[in-house]
Amino acid sequence: NAGVTQTPKFRVLKTGQSMTLLCAQDMNHEYMYWYRQDPGMGLRLIHYSVGEGTTAKGEVPDGYNVSRLKKQNFLLGLESAAPSQTSVYFCATLKGANTGELFFGEGSRLTVL
Amino acid sequence: RKEVEQDPGPFNVPEGATVAFNCTYSNSASQSFFWYRQDCRKEPKLLMSVYSSGNEDGRFTAQLNRASQYISLLIRDSKLSDSATYLCVVIPNSGGYQKVTFGTGTKLQVIP
Repeated sequence: NAGVTQTPKFRVLKTGQSMTLLCAQDMNHEYMYWYRQDPGMGLRLIHYSVGEGTTAKGEVPDGYNVSRLKKQNFLLGLESAAPSQTSVYFCATLKGANTGELFFGEGSRLTVL
Repeated sequence: RKEVEQDPGPFNVPEGATVAFNCTYSNSASQSFFWYRQDCRKEPKLLMSVYSSGNEDGRFTAQLNRASQYISLLIRDSKLSDSATYLCVVIPNSGGYQKVTFGTGTKLQVIP
């Protein structure tokens, strides 16, 4: 039982390049989230999904796109990476409304030069 | 005003001390509250839920004050292993769409 798996775990990009982060979960959870974490800023919500085929904007969605074509996968895309997107990205899942416990992936460290 | 606010610290306390953190939230319709712990460069992990009547788990006590819109975490008899960042989490009662919001975290350093 892998839980929540993020790939890749590390990536270095040049400004303007594109990339996709994959979050895969095997727990059949409905809700999935993408956060970014920067020093002194805590975890900020980028986008989230409450089920297959649905996505919604979080606190800091600009510069990112997401898709949830399959229930188990939540993809985060950067179409044209910028140095301001250098961060650690965490994916998390939640079983359902008011269940409380978020299950996190190990994080993906992205550096944009 | 941010939806969830915490004192970033750091709180430097000696072993054995009692330390308390607060977390304020702005959405009065918030439904569920939790404390998470995050070790350096690791993912956050659930420490404990926060119930309206207050709850305790060993050396940790969590409380909710809906009138003043804050939650608190009390750690008694601090251990070196308690050194971490503590994040509060607020989940709104928003009709099914769950926008889970984290505080910025409070860093605790327990000193020998």
